[in-house]
Amino acid sequence: GENVEQHPSTLSVQEGDSAVIKCTYSDSASNYFPWYKQELGKGPQLIIDIRSNVGEKKDQRIAVTLNKTAKHFSLHITETQPEDSAVYFCAASSYNAGNMLTFGGGTRLMVKP
Amino acid sequence: DAGVIQSPRHEVTEMGQEVTLRCKPISGHDYLFWYRQTMMRGLELLIYFNNNVPIDDSGMPEDRFSAKMPNASFSTLKIQPSEPRDSAVYFCASSLNTGTSEDNEQFFGPGTRLTVL
Repeated sequence: GENVEQHPSTLSVQEGDSAVIKCTYSDSASNYFPWYKQELGKGPQLIIDIRSNVGEKKDQRIAVTLNKTAKHFSLHITETQPEDSAVYFCAASSYNAGNMLTFGGGTRLMVKP
Repeated sequence: DAGVIQSPRHEVTEMGQEVTLRCKPISGHDYLFWYRQTMMRGLELLIYFNNNVPIDDSGMPEDRFSAKMPNASFSTLKIQPSEPRDSAVYFCASSLNTGTSEDNEQFFGPGTRLTVL
């Protein structure tokens, strides 16, 4: 089955700096790669996703890149703000696996004001 | 839509007691997932349903755990008997299969924080 590794497990940045979180996956059939943000006491919420037919996607201050050959994808947050502080999860899914997602271990991002 | 609804939000029980967690998925969604989240193991998929039918329960830890989905708008996760190591946050999520090849977005509920003493 799919295995998703996520790094780093914790990340501390100064407000205004950029943050990068990286994930690798094992199943070459995976074709959907979402990123979830989990704030304290809440369930994970989708913030951005990328599908296998594109290499990069951007939405305001966040962007994702995908390298299918190397089986890795990354989340980039620019101009970080204190409200970006949360736990971020990457995930991977294959249509062959139904709608099942395999999640990475999570990254705790702390943005210092 | 109100999103995925879970109840209770918090549950404190004693070892050996039966615990039932409840979930109402988003109306119209045909997939429902139960996850467990702990510091040590992260987010683990326990079981998921498609059109009320259990598809993959390989993540269910042991026979003490069971899940049902009697209709499209309700699911339960039961632990009997509960043990302290079951303490975790349990999330329910739902998604819609639109028939396209790459549509897998899951919507999570707020979770149930379970503490077994």
